[in-house]
Amino acid sequence: DQQVKQNSPSLSVQEGRISILNCDYTNSMFDYFLWYKKYPAEGPTFLISISSIKDKNEDGRFTVFLNKSAKHLSLHIVPSQPGDSAVYFCAACNNAGNMLTFGGGTRLMVKP
Amino acid sequence: EPEVTQTPSHQVTQMGQEVILRCVPISNHLYFYWYRQILGQKVEFLVSFYNNEISEKSEIFDDQFSVERPDGSNFTLKIRSTKLEDSAMYFCASSARQVDSPLHFGNGTRLTVT
Repeated sequence: DQQVKQNSPSLSVQEGRISILNCDYTNSMFDYFLWYKKYPAEGPTFLISISSIKDKNEDGRFTVFLNKSAKHLSLHIVPSQPGDSAVYFCAACNNAGNMLTFGGGTRLMVKP
Repeated sequence: EPEVTQTPSHQVTQMGQEVILRCVPISNHLYFYWYRQILGQKVEFLVSFYNNEISEKSEIFDDQFSVERPDGSNFTLKIRSTKLEDSAMYFCASSARQVDSPLHFGNGTRLTVT
């Protein structure tokens, strides 16, 4: 099932710089998108979401951009902090139900 | 901040045995879910539950699986006769609404079937 793909398994960024995590999807029925952060031995922690009626949503250091025509979303973290080091998952669903389809995750490492 | 709690954190069982994984969703949430993640694979949807019945289920959720909300706070996943391939992290989640409402996950139960 490749409906949601995160093509970069890992990303390394210097503290204070911008982290950009990318996600692509194929199912045009998806209309709600989410980003989760996951530390080892913990469950996914909700970060930020965006509905398909928007193209940008911002919450503090986190901004999600949605390009519906390209079926692409991205998460920007500015400035990046060492505590942001974790695995980041994008997820999508059709708002007719709440069954999330997850990407494979990107491991972000923020170096001090 | 309210959170989803899951017990136990780790469960080891023998093939063919029944297991029950327990979850306490966030108290004012109405929608409940189970997901699982096999080691090295994606997080996968199993089942959603609302108003005391299953809303959606995936192909994974076969007759060996069942869910129940036995009282006002607990939400359980039962695997009747475990198989080796059931070994995974099982995550419970809840959400306040069905639409435009993020799922909040527990820390998971690691199920090991030997």
